[in-house]
Amino acid sequence: DAGVTQSPTHLIKTRGQQVTLRCSPKSGHDTVSWYQQALGQGPQFIFQYYEEEERQRGNFPDRFSGHQFPNYSSELNVNALLLGDSALYLCASSSMGGSGNTIYFGEGSWLTVV
Amino acid sequence: AQSVTQLDSQVPVFEEAPVELRCNYSSSVSVYLFWYVQYPNQGLQLLLKYLSGSTLVESINGFEAEFNKSQTSFHLRKPSVHISDTAEYFCAVRIERGKLIFGQGTELSVKP
Repeated sequence: DAGVTQSPTHLIKTRGQQVTLRCSPKSGHDTVSWYQQALGQGPQFIFQYYEEEERQRGNFPDRFSGHQFPNYSSELNVNALLLGDSALYLCASSSMGGSGNTIYFGEGSWLTVV
Repeated sequence: AQSVTQLDSQVPVFEEAPVELRCNYSSSVSVYLFWYVQYPNQGLQLLLKYLSGSTLVESINGFEAEFNKSQTSFHLRKPSVHISDTAEYFCAVRIERGKLIFGQGTELSVKP
C-alpha cells in the first residue's frame, strides 16, 4: 500500500519563476491538502482539494494555486516566486468519507528560491 | 480561534531517561489531537492520535499521550528514550476535515 508520494524531492528556482509540485494521495484517500513548512516552524495550511475543487484555503496569496485530477492526485503551483517561499512543501491526504480524521503526510518537496 | 502551543522549543535528555513534551490547545469544536514526528530532512510521520474514547493513547514505539480536557493538554511522554528518538515533534489539532493547526515544534535531543 503506497503512502503519500510527492515529487520532486528537491528543487532550486530563481526569484520570479514559477514552480509546480505534485502529490499522489494514499490509496483510498480522496482529499489532498497542502502545507508549507518554513525552516524552524510548524507546517502552515495552504489549501485543500476535494472532488477537484478547492474547498478550504489558509492565509496564502493568490500566487499559490492548485489543482486536483480525477485520480485524486494534486498539483501545487506557485507563481512569481519570492525568497520567502523557500520552504518544505508537504502534501497530506485523508478521506472525506468515514471519520476522515487521520491525515497522512508525504516526505515533502524542498523548494529553495535564490 | 483554535491554536496549539508547545511549551518547550528544545528538550535535551540523556538516553534511557524519561521525557515529557508538553502541548496545550484551544479549540471551540470537537477535539481531535495528533502528535507527528519529523526526523531530519524528512516529512511528517503520524506518531499517535486521540479521536475519542480512552484518554490515554499509545504508539508502537513506546510513546504515549494523555488527553486532558480540563487542562486542554495533550502531553507526550516516554519512560525511557533512545538515541533514535532524536527528532522534531509536532502537536496538532484538527479543526476541519483535512485541516490541522500545528504547534511550533519541540526538538528532542537524546544524548548518550
